[in-house]
Amino acid sequence: QSVLTQPPSVSGAPGQRVTISCTGSSSNIGAGYDVHWYQQLPDKAPKLLLYGNNNRPSGVPDRFSGSKSGTSASLDISGLQVEDEADYYCQSYDNSLSGFSVFGTGTKVTVL
Amino acid sequence: EIQLLESGGGLVQPGGSRRLSCAASGFTFSNQGMSWVRQTPGKGLEWVAGINGNSVIRNYADSVKGRFTVSRDNSKNTLFLQMNSLRADDTAVYYCARRVTVFGVLTPFFDDWGQGTRVTVSS
Repeated sequence: QSVLTQPPSVSGAPGQRVTISCTGSSSNIGAGYDVHWYQQLPDKAPKLLLYGNNNRPSGVPDRFSGSKSGTSASLDISGLQVEDEADYYCQSYDNSLSGFSVFGTGTKVTVL
Repeated sequence: EIQLLESGGGLVQPGGSRRLSCAASGFTFSNQGMSWVRQTPGKGLEWVAGINGNSVIRNYADSVKGRFTVSRDNSKNTLFLQMNSLRADDTAVYYCARRVTVFGVLTPFFDDWGQGTRVTVSS
């Protein structure tokens, strides 16, 4: 069971803005560890979307942005597009776990 | 171009063993930490194991500790996951991923992933 909680699903019409939350605790996000985000298209491997809370790898559109505050982080998708329909996962570090790396529970984004 | 290609998946009986491989290319493999991440059917991602470039540091999720062993052969640019005492809840797609640290970013992340190899534990 993941220690980073995300809403199971969010949806929006094309062009709208959606936000995905990633809620942690004092042993992970609240401890100051950075948060990263991954996009997983249907039947594909995950792909790095944002790293270090709000840094985009080359090729990721600027409609994807992130933030972190306290024990939570969020991913914003502005100007939602049909090709954004996918699963999204946050990832961070947890100092209470033996392996440290932890993923969120995942959020399915549906474009209406 | 960075490529990670997993192999070794298949059907295994409960209590059995399986060895997964991940062939890497397009980067200096020996300088890079690597990890295995799995995804159970219809479920989310779970970090399984990680190893640093010279194999000195290895970490495991509690769910696999004592049963799985991560290793690497830098001369062959290959990452391995030896899985023993397999259980039904180990059934998943197993991905190898390149673990990256960036100056100014406090947490490592995974910037490249393989396509995954499916392991099914069933009698």
